[in-house]
Amino acid sequence: RKEVEQDPGPFNVPEGATVAFNCTYSNSASQSFFWYRQDCRKEPKLLMSVYSSGNEDGRFTAQLNRASQYISLLIRDSKLSDSATYLCAPGLLGGGSQGNLIFGKGTKLSVKP
Amino acid sequence: DAGITQSPRHKVTETGTPVTLRCHQTENHRYMYWYRQDPGHGLRLIHYSYGVKDTDKGEVSDGYSVSRSKTEDFLLTLESATSSQTSVYFCATVGGSYGYTFGSGTRLTVV
Repeated sequence: RKEVEQDPGPFNVPEGATVAFNCTYSNSASQSFFWYRQDCRKEPKLLMSVYSSGNEDGRFTAQLNRASQYISLLIRDSKLSDSATYLCAPGLLGGGSQGNLIFGKGTKLSVKP
Repeated sequence: DAGITQSPRHKVTETGTPVTLRCHQTENHRYMYWYRQDPGHGLRLIHYSYGVKDTDKGEVSDGYSVSRSKTEDFLLTLESATSSQTSVYFCATVGGSYGYTFGSGTRLTVV
């Protein structure tokens, strides 16, 4: 099993749709989890940290399922500007300051008018 | 984030030549990282540093060396560039919420 797996997509959705991505990870010692957004030919940018209790930021909701070792990202009311590649990143130990993040290859989202 | 800059942004070099990429941060972060990103492989860790003169290897360190003589600078050197090292290189530091903050990247082409 690969360390971090994501469906590469592309997910082609109309504006206003709700779309969800899953990411599975193999290392049960992972303690910190993140979602990044990467636009074409740009650097990845932190979208959300993922907490055990789940967290929401506007139209974005992230969930963690430790038992099944996956994290998810839900985007509601998709906008054209949400078109990007979404990378998940579980990390070891206490987070970025001590543990190195392992990145998934990303899921490409394309929101159409 | 303006706190991390990479140079050069683009470089074309010939096979067999040495190349040094620079990462500069102004946030006084202890941890710095070098990744490469290639189609089909995603982001892969090359080397990382946990302090001045303290570095360690990542997943794909062969053919690369690093140095960190000052907190703010983390240098990546390709001792003898090969075509397989054509890639986009990203530097990162620990940012807010303990997630990484990435530089804008260096596009390196080895011909």
